[in-house]
Amino acid sequence: DTEVTQTPKHLVMGMTNKKSLKCEQHMGHRAMYWYKQKAKKPPELMFVYSYEKLSINESVPSRFSPECPNSSLLNLHLHALQPEDSALYLCASSQASGAVDTQYFGPGTRLTVL
Amino acid sequence: ELKVEQNPLFLSMQEGKNYTIYCNYSTTSDRLYWYRQDPGKSLESLFVLLSNGAVKQEGRLMASLDTKARLSTLHITAAVHDLSATYFCAVDPGRGSSGDKLTFGTGTRLAVRP
Repeated sequence: DTEVTQTPKHLVMGMTNKKSLKCEQHMGHRAMYWYKQKAKKPPELMFVYSYEKLSINESVPSRFSPECPNSSLLNLHLHALQPEDSALYLCASSQASGAVDTQYFGPGTRLTVL
Repeated sequence: ELKVEQNPLFLSMQEGKNYTIYCNYSTTSDRLYWYRQDPGKSLESLFVLLSNGAVKQEGRLMASLDTKARLSTLHITAAVHDLSATYFCAVDPGRGSSGDKLTFGTGTRLAVRP
């Protein structure tokens, strides 16, 4: 099983809403990532969890709050977002083997903030 | 700060032709990844290149790495329409352990026309 799943696929929310994005993998990977991708741009790293501890936080606004309940799950809690936060949110996971740490990406959640 | 640049940003090529995409990066790294992204879809891992002079081939795509020049290339041979996608290189300047940060290149949007 080399799959990373994300729910929901699409999300439309108002600026006062609270919602969560979910990501799951069953590959035994111990690192999980959240990326934000705007149209025609590369993915931008937001957060990295390594062995369930937040290891990289790329100075993302506090309206985004990550959570890693266990080694298979990763959540991104959203609150009071702005229209410019509309983007594709990608989850990835990896497990280093030798010098290789290939990240495997989920299908993404397309978020629209009204 | 690590910078990763690709050129060209957009490439329109005829079926059957050959072309090369270039990926330049600004800091020492022995690990470079190539990903493919179809429109509205997630990222698919293509290659991982681990050392100077590394070459990997899959079908009509061949990737190489020159760590001294800080340059990777993705060569397309006899292009077909199915190769139309956006291609990203990504550099890992870390130690290859789980949770290393990847920095993505600007992306090259490839369109193969009949």
